[in-house]
Amino acid sequence: EAQVTQNPRYLITVTGKKLTVTCSQNMNHEYMSWYRQDPGLGLRQIYYSMNVEVTDKGDVPEGYKVSRKEKRNFPLILESPSPNQTSLYFCASSLSLLRSTGELFFGEGSRLTVL
Amino acid sequence: SQQGEEDPQALSIQEGENATMNCSYKTSINNLQWYRQNSGRGLVHLILIRSNEREKHSGRLRVTLDTSKKSSSLLITASRAADTASYFCATDASGYSTLTFGKGTMLLVSP
Repeated sequence: EAQVTQNPRYLITVTGKKLTVTCSQNMNHEYMSWYRQDPGLGLRQIYYSMNVEVTDKGDVPEGYKVSRKEKRNFPLILESPSPNQTSLYFCASSLSLLRSTGELFFGEGSRLTVL
Repeated sequence: SQQGEEDPQALSIQEGENATMNCSYKTSINNLQWYRQNSGRGLVHLILIRSNEREKHSGRLRVTLDTSKKSSSLLITASRAADTASYFCATDASGYSTLTFGKGTMLLVSP
């Protein structure tokens, strides 16, 4: 089954404790992206990757890191989480935004709480 | 930057009625997409309309695009309670390799 898998789905952590949210897709997609969703603010893009070893900042990259060493994986790293990073995070992938399809496939989300 | 803005923010209708949501955006686009999100779940792609298209249909969905007004509308005909969800427009701005979402319209369809 074609899917984007995120882990963990739920996490409560404390300020400053490094954490990684994993994202994996099995569709051989070139494009992957991370979004955060907050009430009243909609979805905001954190980072995206056009292909392996190519990553770019989105609208809200501060406090986050990403890497794209393999095509299928795109982990989101919070080196020193702070309470303002409490949010619902979504990973998404697409065959390629540069092609006419451009449809994004989303994971089920990771709800992160930083105390 | 928030490219698309949906209107209204919330919409409440009865089953069987039509629901219309609008999206306005600011810059030239390659295409515009609509997504649906059930509460707290991942977004699901509904339909994509390219900048050179004016109207597109998919089942009970009808999307229009007016590039001169930089606006799009999503019409859901004969709404069902199961259509209750948030609906987002997303734009792929020309020259940018990214997809930007609006804040969404929350649709409530009552039985």
